[in-house]
Amino acid sequence: QKEVEQNSGPLSVPEGAIASLNCTYSDRGSQSFFWYRQYSGKSPELIMFIYSNGDKEDGRFTAQLNKASQYVSLLIRDSQPSDSATYLCAANTGFQKLVFGTGTRLLVSP
Amino acid sequence: ETGVTQTPRHLVMGMTNKKSLKCEQHLGHNAMYWYKQSAKKPLELMFVYNFKEQTENNSVPSRFSPECPNSSHLFLHLHTLQPEDSALYLCASRPEGSGANVLTFGAGSRLTVL
Repeated sequence: QKEVEQNSGPLSVPEGAIASLNCTYSDRGSQSFFWYRQYSGKSPELIMFIYSNGDKEDGRFTAQLNKASQYVSLLIRDSQPSDSATYLCAANTGFQKLVFGTGTRLLVSP
Repeated sequence: ETGVTQTPRHLVMGMTNKKSLKCEQHLGHNAMYWYKQSAKKPLELMFVYNFKEQTENNSVPSRFSPECPNSSHLFLHLHTLQPEDSALYLCASRPEGSGANVLTFGAGSRLTVL
């Protein structure tokens, strides 16, 4: 069973802090990884994806990938209350197949 | 709206009813997906269509029947469902050649089976 594991949280951080969201995956064949954000009652929306080892930065967001450790993370700098949502990690496990984790709920307090 | 429209947004049905969920994408994408999202569980892939052809059926019970008449429309026909089928059903689409599998999701159809 190909799985993506996330801590369900909630992860609570104060406004302005760095939020660190983590994800592990079981399929070593996975080539690309995705972070989606889902607000309560809304659909998931893509934040960013990564397929090379190392860091990828986009504004306040940084995705990190370590294929040897099968580990993906998302850092959110200068966290804002509007970042409060559930963050879904997903791995591409084959052609067109995306396997999702259960998501980590992030709470950013003012 | 994200370019992927789902109707109805909410549906309540009995176990003997027959209903359908509809998804329409206005993005020119060629692949469409049905996912099921239940509380405390990961998004579960149900079906994938590419250019109207079903390319993935993730061992979904036959009480769920997909239909894809063209690359812009996707249906999920429901019959004799069980209460455990109550969930949020998400449609998504992906452009052809999107090697990174970037999906655009619709707002979802919240299904309650009584």
